[in-house]
Amino acid sequence: DSGVTQTPKHLITATGQRVTLRCSPRSGDLSVYWYQQSLDQGLQFLIQYYNGEERAKGNILERFSAQQFPDLHSELNLSSLELGDSALYFCASSVGTGPVNTEAFFGQGTRLTVV
Amino acid sequence: GENVEQHPSTLSVQEGDSAVIKCTYSDSASNYFPWYKQELGKRPQLIIDIRSNVGEKKDQRIAVTLNKTAKHFSLHITETQPEDSAVYFCAATYSGGGADGLTFGKGTHLIIQP
Repeated sequence: DSGVTQTPKHLITATGQRVTLRCSPRSGDLSVYWYQQSLDQGLQFLIQYYNGEERAKGNILERFSAQQFPDLHSELNLSSLELGDSALYFCASSVGTGPVNTEAFFGQGTRLTVV
Repeated sequence: GENVEQHPSTLSVQEGDSAVIKCTYSDSASNYFPWYKQELGKRPQLIIDIRSNVGEKKDQRIAVTLNKTAKHFSLHITETQPEDSAVYFCAATYSGGGADGLTFGKGTHLIIQP
């Protein structure tokens, strides 16, 4: 168990809908990252938050957004869902940022299926 | 941005033999290189990492080497065992600027033949 908790584990929804994925980082970790894993694109970095502030954006679509709350949990919002958004969404957390605190630990993931 | 290439995509070795997976990166500023192991249906797990100020790091049967000049790094697994069967991902990032999302390779499916 990595200590990173993601809910829900599975989600099935229809095209055009909106969903919210939730992540609780390891105790003491300030950085939260979201990754998307699909068969054709592999593991792709979406976005990073550090202590409530957005730090970096990767290949995140405009239909997707995220935030990190004062208690450090994070939510990833996916809207206007398309079939191609079906994937495993992982959250990871690390102590902080910088050379010493970069080790990232992954949650179990949320499997999103868009039908 | 960073681009990480990983080879081979599939690697089959006999139990007890060694396995080597290679990655190259494009951004010379990258300074942190972790390796993750992912079993089917499970989360990626960090197995070893290396920073740009060292050339090699070992942890029991696993070792990672880094060549900054050539911008490539490799994972070496010795005395392979059935439980080593999994998909292995290399990754790279610049750690120090506050934004350190990982860029991953496409993964190597390691198969350990009994």
